[in-house]
Amino acid sequence: GAGVSQTPSNKVTEKGKYVELRCDPISGHTALYWYRQSLGQGPEFLIYFQGTGAADDSGLPNDRFFAVRPEGSVSTLKIQRTERGDSAVYLCASSPAGAGEQYFGPGTRLTVT
Amino acid sequence: QQQVKQSPQSLIVQKGGISIINCAYENTAFDYFPWYQQFPGKGPALLIAIRPDVSEKKEGRFTISFNKSAKQFSLHIMDSQPGDSATYFCAASKRSSASKIIFGSGTRLSIRP
Repeated sequence: GAGVSQTPSNKVTEKGKYVELRCDPISGHTALYWYRQSLGQGPEFLIYFQGTGAADDSGLPNDRFFAVRPEGSVSTLKIQRTERGDSAVYLCASSPAGAGEQYFGPGTRLTVT
Repeated sequence: QQQVKQSPQSLIVQKGGISIINCAYENTAFDYFPWYQQFPGKGPALLIAIRPDVSEKKEGRFTISFNKSAKQFSLHIMDSQPGDSATYFCAASKRSSASKIIFGSGTRLSIRP
């Protein structure tokens, strides 16, 4: 079946602009995770959804970052007033029941100029 | 606080040789230790994982060795092949609570033909 998909694959934006990154999890997976991967580093956790609710948002760096999953499937990561330091690959992962393996999408490469 | 420390940062191995990557963790609450493989432009993919109640797990050419008392674990790739050239991440999580994965900083492995 189809894996986790993320759109867009690349996003270039100017400092101060607002961006939305989309994640389509594997069908039927109830848990969804967002991670951020800076160049040469391992992914860092941002937020975890179980169904529609955010079960753990302890990794969001500040209040410019927000994520939603209104129907328990697709999720959108929203970044307000982007800064150059936000440049990274944003990865989405899903798992079937929260305690299963996490399957990662290809990521969205965000560049803030 | 870096909860999972990984070494070396980069590794070059001749084809047919053994690749060894080491990791150490701090949080004794971790109960799941996966290794991920990542190719350029792709998301991390689960390679092999181990729980702390076993000291070794082998899948094909890949073996995890786990030392609970030392809080260390390692990945061994036997008969390394050029196709194994990728970045490898060790990781840890509290799987029972479906929580986030904490990743190491990664090892860039190159297999020389």
